[in-house]
Amino acid sequence: DAKTTQPNSMESNEEEPVHLPCNHSTISGTDYIHWYRQLPSQGPEYVIHGLTSNVNNRMASLAIAEDRKSSTLILHRATLRDAAVYYCILRDFRDYGGSQGNLIFGKGTKLSVKP
Amino acid sequence: NAGVTQTPKFQVLKTGQSMTLQCAQDMNHNSMYWYRQDPGMGLRLIYYSASEGTTDKGEVPNGYNVSRLNKREFSLRLESAAPSQTSVYFCASGSFGGPNTEAFFGQGTRLTVV
Repeated sequence: DAKTTQPNSMESNEEEPVHLPCNHSTISGTDYIHWYRQLPSQGPEYVIHGLTSNVNNRMASLAIAEDRKSSTLILHRATLRDAAVYYCILRDFRDYGGSQGNLIFGKGTKLSVKP
Repeated sequence: NAGVTQTPKFQVLKTGQSMTLQCAQDMNHNSMYWYRQDPGMGLRLIYYSASEGTTDKGEVPNGYNVSRLNKREFSLRLESAAPSQTSVYFCASGSFGGPNTEAFFGQGTRLTVV
């Protein structure tokens, strides 16, 4: 499986934008880039995913480099509730569950948000 | 919108005791998973079930057994608990394929083995 590299921790001020980077230099052409986050004492929750084009949803935006070797999760206005561990995960879009549906979690980036 | 429900939320066991962690999902997903998360670590896969009636080992299956009772329910059993199994356990389910690859997680079961 292709690996991802993320900073261990980042800090942000409330109501400011946050850019969370992820490097995935060995990404294959069929890998989707997924982001999940884990709030304190909660299970992980889906944030966003994309393949080649930038993606937006109500939670965040995902900016994908043209060569797809890196991506950035963007929280447009951080709130205290956004303090969590953010995981960048690659998954082959040909996967149809079972062992291939497994999400391989690294240690992620712990985001702290200051009021 | 229940999603993925795990019971119990907390449990303390003595070494050698057995217990079953229950998980149920109401999203009609085929695939279900059990993970464990140790302090400061990412999640590691214990067992998974690609569909009703099938189960397979993940990364760390030793000391655990699972049952996919039906499409909704996937249970994890510790036959003889050990302190090394102290962890937070998460159940997940997902409907995968093509661009539709979102996984849903339960709230976790915090297990302490003394």
